[in-house]
Amino acid sequence: QSALTQPASVSGSPGQSITISCTGTSSDVGSYNLVSWYQQHPGKAPTLMIYEGTKRPSGVSNRFSGSKSGNTASLTISGLQAEDEADYYCCSYVGTSPYVFGSGTKVSVL
Amino acid sequence: EVQLVESGGGLIQPGGSLRLSCAASGFTFSIYSINWVRQAPGKGLEWISYISSSSSAIYYADSVKGRFTISRDNAQNSLYLQMNSLRDEDTAVYYCARVGLGYTLDYWGQGTLVTVSS
Repeated sequence: QSALTQPASVSGSPGQSITISCTGTSSDVGSYNLVSWYQQHPGKAPTLMIYEGTKRPSGVSNRFSGSKSGNTASLTISGLQAEDEADYYCCSYVGTSPYVFGSGTKVSVL
Repeated sequence: EVQLVESGGGLIQPGGSLRLSCAASGFTFSIYSINWVRQAPGKGLEWISYISSSSSAIYYADSVKGRFTISRDNAQNSLYLQMNSLRDEDTAVYYCARVGLGYTLDYWGQGTLVTVSS
């Protein structure tokens, strides 16, 4: 199972909105509404931001939203804040593998 | 509070063996599936192994199949990863992660560093 494709980096100014894409295939992202997104600050463990493509866990800011179209899932961060600067990973459930991660995106707040 | 605490990492020579542990608390461990996920220095996340709540379903990534063995002890609320025939490329931080709603990895431990080097 190949890693899902994410842009290496995305940047934005405070208050702006940015979108991170996560491109897979019809065997992973396209087949399951089970994409999750994780935020990881340097030296820390990943934390869950979005699950089942569009749902936010309790405690996660509503500035974070998820969507999917075909084989591509997306994470949008609106009202960008300095604390959002981190690495972000998508992940798709794929059945018997059963998980494949994205390549990761470094978000920079200018 | 859900907690997952990994231990057992360290420096090991190529070809050696190591056993990682993940101690769970704050939830009913025996009804949740758990994964091991690793992250090589400066690299992305890599899923490596899954075990269902009753150990009836176990999966491995091709990169570790035949060398690593996942197991759990529900009476001890513990997950394990036996790593044999270690290679330089196994150097990574190893995380245990619980499977929640929608097959999401909803809680992660803080990780334990494994360094394979001569």
